[in-house]
Amino acid sequence: DTGVSQDPRHKITKRGQNVTFRCDPISEHNRLYWYRQTLGQGPEFLTYFQNEAQLEKSRLLSDRFSAERPKGSFSTLEIQRTEQGDSAMYLCALWAQKETQYFGPGTRLLVL
Amino acid sequence: QQPVQSPQAVILREGEDAVINCSSSKALYSVHWYRQKHGEAPVFLMILLKGGEQKGHDKISASFNEKKQQSSLYLTASQLSYSGTYFCGTASGAGSYQLTFGKGTKLSVIP
Repeated sequence: DTGVSQDPRHKITKRGQNVTFRCDPISEHNRLYWYRQTLGQGPEFLTYFQNEAQLEKSRLLSDRFSAERPKGSFSTLEIQRTEQGDSAMYLCALWAQKETQYFGPGTRLLVL
Repeated sequence: QQPVQSPQAVILREGEDAVINCSSSKALYSVHWYRQKHGEAPVFLMILLKGGEQKGHDKISASFNEKKQQSSLYLTASQLSYSGTYFCGTASGAGSYQLTFGKGTKLSVIP
């Protein structure tokens, strides 16, 4: 148990639709990260929050992507006008002691 | 820049040893090792911080040569449960704000 849940675990959508994913830390964590992982690749950094402040965004995060962490606890990642290239596993990670990052179970997105 | 992992894939018989390497062109502060099984999220194994330390737990250990910007993961007396894809993630500064991952090494342990 990594102390973080993600919802939904799987999402199938049609191209052009909007989708939203949620990441829920079980306990308080200052730092929360979003990564994306496509087939055969390692996770790629998308964005990072320190409490409710979004401090860093990858250039992978196009204008169609937006992330929030309104109260410094749970976080949401929204993708607007989905494209087939958005199909991937979206991973939330929490920073723990001694610089480590623990991943949640992920949300697998398939865009048809 | 993405770290380079080698080999890309390796097949072992139970009880054999393996070494997975991770090399970066950038100066590194930390190297993080994860194992991922098919359809699951990556699971944290260990972190090595700048200082050339070696770490281990159970029969898995790792080293970090900061001068060469390289890390190696050592798996000894492999078990079937070691099968999966191993990723190294690297950070160039303290704080681990973002990790840059390699493409992974697929390890298959067969009876």
